Amino acid sequence: AQSVAQPEDQVNVAEGNPLTVKCTYSVSGNPYLFWYVQYPNRGLQFLLKYITGDNLVKGSYGFEAEFNKSQTSFHLKKPSALVSDSALYFCAVRDGTGANNLFFGTGTRLTVIP
Amino acid sequence: NAGVTQTPKFRVLKTGQSMTLLCAQDMNHEYMYWYRQDPGMGLRLIHYSVGEGTTAKGEVPDGYNVSRLKKQNFLLGLESAAPSQTSVYFCASRGAGGTTNTGELFFGEGSRLTVL
Repeated sequence: AQSVAQPEDQVNVAEGNPLTVKCTYSVSGNPYLFWYVQYPNRGLQFLLKYITGDNLVKGSYGFEAEFNKSQTSFHLKKPSALVSDSALYFCAVRDGTGANNLFFGTGTRLTVIP
Repeated sequence: NAGVTQTPKFRVLKTGQSMTLLCAQDMNHEYMYWYRQDPGMGLRLIHYSVGEGTTAKGEVPDGYNVSRLKKQNFLLGLESAAPSQTSVYFCASRGAGGTTNTGELFFGEGSRLTVL
């Protein structure tokens, strides 16, 4: 069965510093991995995805994620954090059934401190 | 382009009451989903639909029913609400996309339900 783990409930980073939000996964077959962001009182918004190809995936708002097959990780990164990046971030993995449903991690709250 | 629209946005129910949440999408998407979001538990899939007239159970289907009579609408019903169903409910949709489908979901803004 597929699953994702986000080991940190909360990440704090100073504005201008690099940020990392961690995600590890477990899936049979090839992993299809996603990051979504949720701003207060809003629905989730797609940030980026890894399907195949380069291990470094670039997405919206300057975010990128690094796929590491040997460590089964898909960490979200940004070189320089902005206060406006403060939000709830979810990692997700697509299941291997015909329905291709997404299963989400528990979320990591990122706070960027001015 | 409205995307995915959920109604109502807020609702307070008493235990045992029934209600229906409506999700409408204007992107001609085949797949539609209902998730619930609870603190510390992320999003959990309640029911989903792979096309008009079809529905299937997700991770946490008990206490909920769904219908997809029209392609653009996906209804989530609670026949007898319980306090454990207090949550924020999100509807999402995606296109079929064939072999190029990569699973990107489009979400509504959520419906906050409180059951007293």
